[in-house]
Amino acid sequence: QKEVEQDPGPLSVPEGAIVSLNCTYSNSAFQYFMWYRQYSRKGPELLMYTYSSGNKEDGRFTAQVDKSSKYISLFIRDSQPSDSATYLCAIPNTGGFKTIFGAGTRLFVKA
Amino acid sequence: EAQVTQNPRYLITVTGKKLTVTCSQNMNHEYMSWYRQDPGLGLRQIYYSMNVEVTDKGDVPEGYKVSRKEKRNFPLILESPSPNQTSLYFCASSLSPGSNEKLFFGSGTQLSVL
Repeated sequence: QKEVEQDPGPLSVPEGAIVSLNCTYSNSAFQYFMWYRQYSRKGPELLMYTYSSGNKEDGRFTAQVDKSSKYISLFIRDSQPSDSATYLCAIPNTGGFKTIFGAGTRLFVKA
Repeated sequence: EAQVTQNPRYLITVTGKKLTVTCSQNMNHEYMSWYRQDPGLGLRQIYYSMNVEVTDKGDVPEGYKVSRKEKRNFPLILESPSPNQTSLYFCASSLSPGSNEKLFFGSGTQLSVL
């Protein structure tokens, strides 16, 4: 079983839709949870990170962690064509010397 | 501008011909790491470095070497490249090795080994 599982998609939605991106993980000791966004032909950039369980909101983006289910989510409200990218969940191990990435979900937002 | 610089962006080579991909950061970061990205597999860590002269293997180190002689540079060396090393490579750095540290990535090196 992979430590972090993520559906690679692709996911195609119309402009203005609410997008839900999800990952599951296997190690209950993980504490920090991150989402990176990667545009085509670019390196990933940190979008959001959360610590432990709960929600964190930043503009149109909400990151949610459910530690009891080992499930993390990223919600995008009022999606825009500029949100079209690959979204990767990422979980640093204890000590932070290794970050485990999901496979990434390709998102297309159609105008 | 704070950045991680990788070179080259694109590289086509033949099996067995040694190559080096350079990585440099200008943020005085202690931690640096190399990843490869393959379709369906995501980013997998090759090697990482906690500081100068301190390096260790990641998940897929076979066929790769690294060195960290200076804080800013972390080159990736393929002594005898093989076709299964065809991939998109990313160098990343962070201020320190910590669970809440943001990784800064370079723009990637697309390598094709024929």
